[in-house]
Amino acid sequence: DIQMTQSPSSMSASLGDRVTITCRASQDIGNYLSWFQQKPGKSPRRMIYGATNLAAGVPSRFSGSRSGSDYSLTISSLESEDMAIYYCLQSIQYPFTFGSGTKLEIK
Amino acid sequence: EIQLQESGPGLVKPSQSLSLTCSVTGYTITSGYDWSWIRKFPGNKMEWMGYISNSGSTNYNPSLKIRISITRDTSKNQFFLQLNSVTTEDTATYYCARLGLRDYWGQGVMVTVSS
Repeated sequence: DIQMTQSPSSMSASLGDRVTITCRASQDIGNYLSWFQQKPGKSPRRMIYGATNLAAGVPSRFSGSRSGSDYSLTISSLESEDMAIYYCLQSIQYPFTFGSGTKLEIK
Repeated sequence: EIQLQESGPGLVKPSQSLSLTCSVTGYTITSGYDWSWIRKFPGNKMEWMGYISNSGSTNYNPSLKIRISITRDTSKNQFFLQLNSVTTEDTATYYCARLGLRDYWGQGVMVTVSS
């Protein structure tokens, strides 16, 4: 299975901060990487697909990037509604595998 | 609008089978896409469990392969998860989902495995 190593596991940031979450893939996944946001009591919501593409309806402060086998989700200016758990997901090979999640809290 | 809704018992005894139903409205499951089960454990780990395709073929996570079965009833536009020989480690929130360019997820059902 492809392992997705996600960091940090949790973080606290202030409103307006720039926040970056990273996943590293254990083998080549190309751009088959998505980022999901999950708020308490809600189902996951895909924010980024294809490593860099913003999903429909997602605010433009969210962006995705890739450097080799490292994939990042960046929130350019943190808002209170961004408090959630974020997961990466690789979808190049079955079984699909998720990162371990990053719990983002607002200071 | 496409909607998915999980249903099933919230409590299962160890060694028994966990059975969940996903009812789909707004789209016919034989028309396209793969129909997945995904679970989230306490502590936030997420696991893709498997899918049944629109043609009825299945693909399972090898970690579950000897215990899992995903089937469907096309007349009711439902698909099902059966997980055998459960342990407390199968305690999780279970989601059914249609993953694609636009995703559709159920609201999730929490299942506790406990005697």
